Amino acid sequence: GQQVMQIPQYQHVQEGEDFTTYCNSSTTLSNIQWYKQRPGGHPVFLIQLVKSGEVKKQKRLTFQFGEAKKNSSLHITATQTTDVGTYFCIAGGYQKVTFGTGTKLQVIP
Amino acid sequence: NAGVTQTPKFRVLKTGQSMTLLCAQDMNHEYMYWYRQDPGMGLRLIHYSVGEGTTAKGEVPDGYNVSRLKKQNFLLGLESAAPSQTSVYFCASSYIANEQFFGPGTRLTVL
Repeated sequence: GQQVMQIPQYQHVQEGEDFTTYCNSSTTLSNIQWYKQRPGGHPVFLIQLVKSGEVKKQKRLTFQFGEAKKNSSLHITATQTTDVGTYFCIAGGYQKVTFGTGTKLQVIP
Repeated sequence: NAGVTQTPKFRVLKTGQSMTLLCAQDMNHEYMYWYRQDPGMGLRLIHYSVGEGTTAKGEVPDGYNVSRLKKQNFLLGLESAAPSQTSVYFCASSYIANEQFFGPGTRLTVL
């Protein structure tokens, strides 16, 4: 069945450094969504990618969907303390909702 | 708009007790979901619904039942709670299979 691996599991960065997390699927995806969960909070939607090779930007965040639609990345430029949290991907549609394991980001001031 | 609300926010049960968690959304979304999140883990789908009167099993449905009698409400029931069901439960809704809106969560402890 569909499996989604997310790497790394944890990442500590100095404020101002860049950060990247990756979601890798064993099968071709129809779409991928990215969410952020602050400590003690609930997941909040960031972006959805649908097209092969798609790249979307939100201020300091850049999202990319691989050409083969089997992997995706989230890149944060010049991290800030407000970026702290866990970043999840959700692969596929509702019938195969598969959460990535999440990457927990710590930003050291 | 309140978005997605969950009741209660916290609950402590004894093994064998039953309870119902209520999720309500005011966005007229067709799809609703129940997830559980164990400490330090990702979310796992328990059950979901694609419309009023319909429900389907997710990844971890055992020990839970659900009902969607009204479009805006999705209920999650535990008939006989077990310590393994100690978790944080999140409800979410979406317009078809797009962006999911999550509720604030219910923290459940089973002793």
